[in-house]
Amino acid sequence: DIVMTQSPDSLAVSLGERATINCKSSQSVLHSSNNKNYLAWYQQKPGQPPKLLIYWASTRQSEDLDRFSGSGSGTDFTLTISSLQAEDVAVYYCQQYFSSPFTFGPGTKVDIK
Amino acid sequence: QLQLVASGGGVVQPGRSLRLSCAASGFNFTIYGMHWVRQAPGKGLEWVAVMSYDGSNKYYADSVKGRFTISRDNSKNTLYLQMSSLRAEDTALYYCAKGGCGGTMCYVNYWGQGILVTVSS
Repeated sequence: DIVMTQSPDSLAVSLGERATINCKSSQSVLHSSNNKNYLAWYQQKPGQPPKLLIYWASTRQSEDLDRFSGSGSGTDFTLTISSLQAEDVAVYYCQQYFSSPFTFGPGTKVDIK
Repeated sequence: QLQLVASGGGVVQPGRSLRLSCAASGFNFTIYGMHWVRQAPGKGLEWVAVMSYDGSNKYYADSVKGRFTISRDNSKNTLYLQMSSLRAEDTALYYCAKGGCGGTMCYVNYWGQGILVTVSS
């Protein structure tokens, strides 16, 4: 099974500042047939179901999420929130869908400093 | 608008069975893979199972393999999760979730509100 790790476990960032979350997979999730990274990022606010932010490691789910960006390839990935807003307080999860079981990372909690 | 409404949850004794249903609407259910993902109270997300758009492929988490069965009825726009030999560690909020593709190797692009399953004597 592919093990997903995230760092840090939590972080507090000032409003308007950048937040960076790292995700690492125990093996590559880059598919050689299509050169795509099978990696997604989700946001979960308290009491709500998760929401897709990024898929294929760097494709934004919708244009109104343009302060969220994903990068990385192979085994190392990053989610960046360019300018933290109050509504971004949430737990963020990465997930690999390269091979079953489609494992999630443990989550990173983002708060306002 | 897109909706995924789960039902069938509740309190069940260890060792017993339960079947979850997820009624889908607002999109063409027949062309998308569907997932079940669960979240134990206060914990992170755990992927449970996936089925391709036509039911030809399905995969499970190691923790539920042999005990849980995912299925779908495309004529009824409904996804199911048959859970047997339930354990206390199966206690969680179960999310029905829509894949972004027809196959199994895909991200989840929409989540239902979830249904609570509590396994307790």
